[in-house]
Amino acid sequence: EPEVTQTPSHQVTQMGQEVILRCVPISNHLYFYWYRQILGQKVEFLVSFYNNEISEKSEIFDDQFSVERPDGSNFTLKIRSTKLEDSAMYFCASSEFVQANQPQHFGDGTRLSIL
Amino acid sequence: AQKVTQAQTEISVVEKEDVTLDCVYETRDTTYYLFWYKQPPSGELVFLIRRNSFDEQNEISGRYSWNFQKSTSSFNFTITASQVVDSAVYFCALRNQAGTALIFGKGTTLSVSS
Repeated sequence: EPEVTQTPSHQVTQMGQEVILRCVPISNHLYFYWYRQILGQKVEFLVSFYNNEISEKSEIFDDQFSVERPDGSNFTLKIRSTKLEDSAMYFCASSEFVQANQPQHFGDGTRLSIL
Repeated sequence: AQKVTQAQTEISVVEKEDVTLDCVYETRDTTYYLFWYKQPPSGELVFLIRRNSFDEQNEISGRYSWNFQKSTSSFNFTITASQVVDSAVYFCALRNQAGTALIFGKGTTLSVSS
């Protein structure tokens, strides 16, 4: 079964450094999402992306965050200057269509640890 | 405002017991969608089921069943004859017709012991 693939599985970064999290969505999917889960807390929406544009973003997704689809397969989340509170599990998801009844399929996540 | 409440933080059962995970949601939209996801100890989020707001039929899939009641804004999930492999965090999520975001509850940690 097709999967969403995320790399790396664990990223350790010094505070203030830039970090890029990578995702390969399911190949025929056109809609992409990032979520984050701070340890022990609920999963929170960050951003959705379609046709090389942000469709929707949450309050968490401030100017320190950006997303990009640099080629036909990758979807990246960049955090410009990391803070301690950015430590979390980051999940990428994709869906074939944007309709609200379409399930979003999640990757295994990248655990980001900021020191 | 949209909100999903999973009041049960942790549930512990012994194998073969039935267990029900509660989910209550709030939304002003008349058309919306509800989802359940499973997060096993390995950390990935696995899609389990989707339900439309206009379809109140309950659903059964093997040992899993879901009870959607619009009148009480609830979408509960029952596991029959639980197994150790069911141990995970279970998340209920809501998505409105217009938005793209899934709104998750805080999750219920289910521990099934042998």
